[in-house]
Amino acid sequence: AQTVTQSQPEMSVQEAETVTLSCTYDTSENNYYLFWYKQPPSRQMILVIRQEAYKQQNATENRFSVNFQKAAKSFSLKISDSQLGDTAMYFCAFMKYGGATNKLIFGTGTLLAVQP
Amino acid sequence: GAGVSQSPSNKVTEKGKDVELRCDPISGHTALYWYRQSLGQGLEFLIYFQGNSAPDKSGLPSDRFSAERTGGSVSTLTIQRTQQEDSAVYLCASSPTVNTEAFFGQGTRLTVV
Repeated sequence: AQTVTQSQPEMSVQEAETVTLSCTYDTSENNYYLFWYKQPPSRQMILVIRQEAYKQQNATENRFSVNFQKAAKSFSLKISDSQLGDTAMYFCAFMKYGGATNKLIFGTGTLLAVQP
Repeated sequence: GAGVSQSPSNKVTEKGKDVELRCDPISGHTALYWYRQSLGQGLEFLIYFQGNSAPDKSGLPSDRFSAERTGGSVSTLTIQRTQQEDSAVYLCASSPTVNTEAFFGQGTRLTVV
């Protein structure tokens, strides 16, 4: 079974600075996706960034980038130039590729507070 | 609508009563998922629909929980004889097909008193 671990329950960063959120996972699969989702107080989960395991190049989306270390089973999220609107709960998630279900396996989340 | 819509947004019910939670996926999305988010917890998978069938119900916590999907569109999650431990946010997500991004609704916050 796959597991996802986020070891930082809460983090804080000053506006305009950079912060890194950690995520590790455990799987015996070779083909899978990894995701970071953001959940603001509105409760709606918003996809921040995704990474296909077969791609060696780290994904980037504007101020968001990942450090994907497949051998170490690590998938951290870096947020550059943090903005107040980045304040939210961040979830790391795993999805097996080609599975019958494609369900997401989530970590327990990291609450990020961006301070003015 | 453009996104996944869930209703009601909030629901308070008495212990022992039945509740129904509704999910309207994005039009054309064949895959639909229900997740549960308990206080301080991550999201827990409940059930997956492909069209109207549910090939994976492995996450349903007990036989008090059931779900159906009709017309390949709207889905209803039913909880019978609610218990206090059922209190949580229930999130629905849909995706165009398998192996694609899931889009989430805003969830239903269920409180059992």
